[in-house]
Amino acid sequence: GAVVSQHPSRVICKSGTSVKIECRSLDFQATTMFWYRQFPKQSLMLMATSNEGSKATYEQGVEKDKFLINHASLTLSTLTVTSAHPEDSSFYICSAPGGNSYEQYFGPGTRLTVT
Amino acid sequence: DQQVKQNSPSLSVQEGRISILNCDYTNSMFDYFLWYKKYPAEGPTFLISISSIKDKNEDGRFTVFLNKSAKHLSLHIVPSQPGDSAVYFCAASARGTSYGKLTFGQGTILTVHP
Repeated sequence: GAVVSQHPSRVICKSGTSVKIECRSLDFQATTMFWYRQFPKQSLMLMATSNEGSKATYEQGVEKDKFLINHASLTLSTLTVTSAHPEDSSFYICSAPGGNSYEQYFGPGTRLTVT
Repeated sequence: DQQVKQNSPSLSVQEGRISILNCDYTNSMFDYFLWYKKYPAEGPTFLISISSIKDKNEDGRFTVFLNKSAKHLSLHIVPSQPGDSAVYFCAASARGTSYGKLTFGQGTILTVHP
């Protein structure tokens, strides 16, 4: 099946710094990708929809200036957590739609720890 | 507002028996439902889905049942195997929303004992 990769898989950064997470569709093109975050023992919460060639669409309560999304090509979307704080520590997962419009292929996730 | 709810945080089942995972939803605009399996520190993996025009979909050991009037769906795994131990997420998609946008439940941790 389709493969979605994320890089890095794990990152530790200091408060106030910025971190970039990459999401790539390896064998298919994705005009749309989705970014989720998951807190321990909680659901995956949709943060934003990444649109190739246009601005991302953010969910209510998600700060667009803090979580910068760039969908530079049909196979790459990046999420940059700017001025990171400890409360941004979480598991970030991206996904891209598969052949069936409702199914999503998920990346392996990125564990962000802000100290 | 939790539109998709999995009220059982965990479920423990003996190998070979049936596992039944439940999911309730509140948004009547949801018209497609999916189940995902997730291991720690990994992304979810698609298992099975069902459209709102159906009430049952079967794929091998996995069967999903949908009761629209009750806004309830369930995933049956028969027979359960130790390798099925994981977190199971129910997800839903609504008419008119972004292509592929999903709302997830909180997940149920399934443990299958040998």
